[in-house]
Amino acid sequence: ETGVTQSPTHLIKTRGQQVTLRCSSQSGHNTVSWYQQALGQGPQFIFQYYREEENGRGNFPPRFSGLQFPNYSSELNVNALELDDSALYLCASSLGDRKIYEQYFGPGTRLTVT
Amino acid sequence: AQSVTQPDIHITVSEGASLELRCNYSYGATPYLFWYVQSPGQGLQLLLKYFSGDTLVQGIKGFEAEFKRSQSSFNLRKPSVHWSDAAEYFCAVGSNAGNNRKLIWGLGTSLAVNP
Repeated sequence: ETGVTQSPTHLIKTRGQQVTLRCSSQSGHNTVSWYQQALGQGPQFIFQYYREEENGRGNFPPRFSGLQFPNYSSELNVNALELDDSALYLCASSLGDRKIYEQYFGPGTRLTVT
Repeated sequence: AQSVTQPDIHITVSEGASLELRCNYSYGATPYLFWYVQSPGQGLQLLLKYFSGDTLVQGIKGFEAEFKRSQSSFNLRKPSVHWSDAAEYFCAVGSNAGNNRKLIWGLGTSLAVNP
């Protein structure tokens, strides 16, 4: 069984640039959730994709967008990067329905915006 | 509003000592509760979960947690801590508020283990 993978591991971008983060879900999982974790904080929910459709969104501006592909992998795109976007971005996969809360996380992508 | 509180920001224990990490939640219905562990620079690993049934749940790495509805608590315990348990521990509750099925997280408890 393959776990959740994320790429890249680390990324440094300049304010105003755009970034794409990638996530491959665990085998058999059809739901992907993205979280932002600032230093010293718990994760904050960005959005969730279920069977290629956005299935919920947290309190993040529209410049945070995403996609889910037929193989259930997912992308997180952030436009017009701001310094406060510097954080660890975590992807989690799960099965739908009741198992949707039982989320398995990837190692994260550390984004630094300068 | 649904929330999770972890009252202890930092805890230090000696290797071999027992451990209890506290978690309190605010949620109207029967909660889905989780404990995760995060090592430095790493993602989150699921330690254990509570959905229903037996209020004492066993997890990986020798951890257990007890759901107490009357106290709105889900404390994590381990009878004998190992040096490798040093990490950040997060408690989370599954929430469907606003039709968003997501996890709501506490701020975490940082565990240090003295040799």
